[in-house]
Amino acid sequence: QAVLTQPPSVSGAPRQRVTISCSGSSSNIGTNAVKWYQQIPGKAPKLLIYYNDLLASGVSDRFSGSKSGTSASLAISGLQSEDEGDFYCASWDDSLNAWLFGGGTKLTVL
Amino acid sequence: EVLLLESGGGLGQPGGSLRLTCVGSGFTFSDYAMTWIRQAPGKGLEWVSAIGSSGTPTFYGDSVKGRFTISRDNSKNTLYLQINRLRVEDTAAYFCAARSPAIVLWGTSDFDHWGRGTLVTVSS
Repeated sequence: QAVLTQPPSVSGAPRQRVTISCSGSSSNIGTNAVKWYQQIPGKAPKLLIYYNDLLASGVSDRFSGSKSGTSASLAISGLQSEDEGDFYCASWDDSLNAWLFGGGTKLTVL
Repeated sequence: EVLLLESGGGLGQPGGSLRLTCVGSGFTFSDYAMTWIRQAPGKGLEWVSAIGSSGTPTFYGDSVKGRFTISRDNSKNTLYLQINRLRVEDTAAYFCAARSPAIVLWGTSDFDHWGRGTLVTVSS
């Protein structure tokens, strides 16, 4: 049911900036707010961004979110090795009456 | 501190049933919507079901409609997921999460707490 599309993987060197895209449609991202999560293998996901671009409590300001139309993006600046993990976007879909997750993007810090 | 503790996972046979439980503490359980999310081994997150703070409304993902039932007992601060007609593809870690009361507005809220998950394995 994943109708939010993310790239499977992204990578970057330490101190670089990377972005992860999340493409949806008018019934989800185009209408509703987007959240971003980080998941370290073996752990529960952790909220990074809510309401498209608001930073969750305790999250480094190296993370930032944005939304335009039916797409959203997560940017990570000043990459650090501890940022490695899987990242997911999420949004409510008004047509499906369902909470949707993107397929996930694996971040590798080179 | 918000804490969510899942239990009830384990080995189930295809066609069988399991009931997962999630006990919440550190917040007023009856004020918040609750949800189940699962993650198959090596795969991404899949939203399963959600329930409003008072027990309605309820929502289900397409892959579980008709087989899974979400419910809650606010007097016990407990969320349930009844899984019937188990399939091999139901094998996953199941997480419960506490969310803001307005389910369709979850994206706007930073109230977003997860348990550690309970593993369900379906195999004959």
